[in-house]
Amino acid sequence: AQTVTQSQPEMSVQEAETVTLSCTYDTSESNYYLFWYKQPPSRQMILVIRQEAYKQQNATENRFSVNFQKAAKSFSLKISDSQLGDTAMYFCALIEGGSNYKLTFGKGTLLTVNP
Amino acid sequence: EPEVTQTPSHQVTQMGQEVILRCVPISNHLYFYWYRQILGQKVEFLVSFYNNEISEKSEIFDDQFSVERPDGSNFTLKIRSTKLEDSAMYFCASRDSYNEQFFGPGTRLTVL
Repeated sequence: AQTVTQSQPEMSVQEAETVTLSCTYDTSESNYYLFWYKQPPSRQMILVIRQEAYKQQNATENRFSVNFQKAAKSFSLKISDSQLGDTAMYFCALIEGGSNYKLTFGKGTLLTVNP
Repeated sequence: EPEVTQTPSHQVTQMGQEVILRCVPISNHLYFYWYRQILGQKVEFLVSFYNNEISEKSEIFDDQFSVERPDGSNFTLKIRSTKLEDSAMYFCASRDSYNEQFFGPGTRLTVL
C-alpha cells in the first residue's frame, strides 16, 4: 500500500526567507502523481503544486518549487520569499494511477511565517 | 472559476442521529470523493464514486456510511447513526481529466 511520510510536524521561517518542507513516499506503481496541499486556518484544502512521476523536470509555481528525487522517493517543497499568508498546514499527497486516483496524505507540517 | 461547494459548513448532531452532508461538485467532473479529517490529524480517504456507483471505499467507510448522487448535481454522504468518533471535518472533492482534485470548503461535523 502507498504511504506518505512527513517527518517535520512543525517548522517556522522568517518572512522573506526560504524554507523547505520534506516528504518521502512509497509506492510500487510506476505511474503516480505527487501533490502539495496547503490548509490555512480556514481548513480549506488548496492545491499548491503537482508533479507527475514521469516528468523529470521539477515543477514550479511562482514562489513554490519542488525537488523530486524519484530514486530516493523524496518530494520536498521549497517556498521562497516566505510571506505571512503562507502560514498554514502543508500536506504532501500521492495518487497512484489506477487506484481510482484517491489521494493518500501525509500527516502534515505546520509552517509558521514570522514577521 | 468553478468550485466545489458543500453544505452545511457546520453540523451539530446528537449521537445516534442520522446526518446528510451535501456537496455540489464541479459540473463537468465525473469522479467524486469524500475525505475525513479528524481534528489535528491527517486527511483520510473515505470513498470514491464514479458512474453512479462506489468505485472504492476505505476501511473507515463501514455500513453506517452511504453515498449517492440523487440528481445531476448533488453528491451526498449519509451517516446513519452517528458516533462521537465521527466528529471531524468532511471534505468533498471532484476530479478533472488531469487528475487534479478540487476540494470543497468542508463540513465540520460535531457529534455530541
